[in-house]
Amino acid sequence: AQSVSQHNHHVILSEAASLELGCNYSYGGTVNLFWYVQYPGQHLQLLLKYFSGDPLVKGIKGFEAEFIKSKFSFNLRKPSVQWSDTAEYFCAVRSSNTGKLIFGQGTTLQVKP
Amino acid sequence: KAGVTQTPRYLIKTRGQQVTLSCSPISGHRSVSWYQQTPGQGLQFLFEYFSETQRNKGNFPGRFSGRQFSNSRSEMNVSTLELGDSALYLCASSLGTMGETQYFGPGTRLLVL
Repeated sequence: AQSVSQHNHHVILSEAASLELGCNYSYGGTVNLFWYVQYPGQHLQLLLKYFSGDPLVKGIKGFEAEFIKSKFSFNLRKPSVQWSDTAEYFCAVRSSNTGKLIFGQGTTLQVKP
Repeated sequence: KAGVTQTPRYLIKTRGQQVTLSCSPISGHRSVSWYQQTPGQGLQFLFEYFSETQRNKGNFPGRFSGRQFSNSRSEMNVSTLELGDSALYLCASSLGTMGETQYFGPGTRLLVL
């Protein structure tokens, strides 16, 4: 069955530190990849997505992610986090075969000022 | 454009009752998906509707059902509520079904006592 795994459940960083959140999925076919963010008290929002083309995609607020097909990974990165990045981050994968959007368990990021 | 709206925002029910949740997608969006979000299980896919037809279904019991109307608005129903059904129910809309970005509503928080 299709699954998405986020390696870190809770990450604590100081402002200006670099961030990398891991995401791996288990599906061998064509996939669309997403990172969503949920700020405290707000809706889930799309950070970035990968459908095809350049495997390094840039999203909002300085986030980027790299799709490595051979590793079934789609890790999220940001060179320098801010306190306002405190939120829960979800990786999601949609297979072209099933059409279902499957989410990882989420990673809570806490940025200390 | 108005975002995805969900009503009601909060709901308290008792075991054995049934509940109906409503979702209005972004104007022009024809696909509506439903998710259940809990601290323990994360975001789990319930079902997806496109043009009034259920196109995908997650692994939930038959007590969970849904429908979509000709104006793309969707409802989900949970019958014979159990304590474990307490969750945030999220609705997401997209233009089509495959690979399209989903835009999430604020959710309906259901508490079953």
